[in-house]
Amino acid sequence: KAGVTQTPRYLIKTRGQQVTLSCSPISGHRSVSWYQQTPGQGLQFLFEYFSETQRNKGNFPGRFSGRQFSNSRSEMNVSTLELGDSALYLCASSLGGTGTGELFFGEGSRLTVL
Amino acid sequence: DAKTTQPTSMDCAEGRAANLPCNHSTISGNEYVYWYRQIHSQGPQYIIHGLKNNETNEMASLIITEDRKSSTLILPHATLRDTAVYYCIVTNSGGSNYKLTFGKGTLLTVNP
Repeated sequence: KAGVTQTPRYLIKTRGQQVTLSCSPISGHRSVSWYQQTPGQGLQFLFEYFSETQRNKGNFPGRFSGRQFSNSRSEMNVSTLELGDSALYLCASSLGGTGTGELFFGEGSRLTVL
Repeated sequence: DAKTTQPTSMDCAEGRAANLPCNHSTISGNEYVYWYRQIHSQGPQYIIHGLKNNETNEMASLIITEDRKSSTLILPHATLRDTAVYYCIVTNSGGSNYKLTFGKGTLLTVNP
């Protein structure tokens, strides 16, 4: 069974630009969540989508947004990029619904802002 | 979610058992203990989780104390490929459990 796929794997942008990252979850998984990982702050939760609806949101500014499509694929967008947005952006999928369940992470998209 | 405390780093000899401790003294009754690991430059990988009973799977064993205030992840025969940062996370079983709070974790180095 294919894992979580994130594209692109690496990208370089300049300050003020915007970026869109894509995540394809494991087939049958309905929950997709996004995390930002930096050396200073570690892994931080951005948001989670379930059945095309944002269900949870972390403490990030409105420049960070996301969406989920009917096939469960998800995108996240960062507008007006800042140097501090340089990070590894990780997507995780899960079956979703209530109750416990492990998250399956992708390899991440490494964003460098110059 | 309850806060967890883990040692910053640990070493283990290849082939020996690696025992990674985690303190979660403020854990509440409906909170589970999850363990993930992250090998350098990869996404985190789920290892195991438990509520109050000890758990074992093909990767590891999880021992939770009777008062649930601490737990230990055991890798029975550590290999060089087990070198990674190990995260202990406590989270509830409600509908919002997909928002995980990762701490700093423990860097486990397996030495030949």
